[in-house]
Amino acid sequence: NAGVTQTPKFQVLKTGQSMTLQCAQDMNHEYMSWYRQDPGMGLRLIHYSVGAGITDQGEVPNGYNVSRSTTEDFPLRLLSAAPSQTSVYFCASSYSPAAEAFFGQGTRLTVV
Amino acid sequence: GQQLNQSPQSMFIQEGEDVSMNCTSSSIFNTWLWYKQDPGEGPVLLIALYKAGELTSNGRLTAQFGITRKDSFLNISASIPSDVGIYFCAGPYNTDKLIFGTGTRLQVFP
Repeated sequence: NAGVTQTPKFQVLKTGQSMTLQCAQDMNHEYMSWYRQDPGMGLRLIHYSVGAGITDQGEVPNGYNVSRSTTEDFPLRLLSAAPSQTSVYFCASSYSPAAEAFFGQGTRLTVV
Repeated sequence: GQQLNQSPQSMFIQEGEDVSMNCTSSSIFNTWLWYKQDPGEGPVLLIALYKAGELTSNGRLTAQFGITRKDSFLNISASIPSDVGIYFCAGPYNTDKLIFGTGTRLQVFP
């Protein structure tokens, strides 16, 4: 069982570049979410999805887009990378927001 | 937006000591979840609480759902080196957003 798979693990971008962080889960979970982790700030919710075709904004959505065309995949797009988006990004999935969430290994992104 | 505040921010303790940390919110939560993050990994669920006043244990860990529903507590007894990591509280906000606290970083010295 793969669980939640995130790619890539590391990425360096130049300011203004765009990229997509991939997230896939094989547990048939309806709920998926993206977080960013910065020192002293905990895990902040970027976007989330309660099922295929449905997405909504979290606490810090600016500069990011998401889509959920299938139950399994929930990619996060950075439209025009900025140094403030340097962070560690985690994808998570669960049956519901109140159930156990399973996390990917994270993507460490640096924007120069 | 809604934030879960955890204290202390960090703790440096000696092996064998007990640890207490808490999580507070300005809103009522119906579920409290406690996660641990090992260095370089994603968080993993430790304990889930679903009822006000509930006290639940998982080995040396004990968590409590506060009576006001605006706070929760986590205790670790007889700490060991592998307890090192960041501990997060979390809960579903507005029923559909799983939000996390600011984290408590635990360091254990032998």
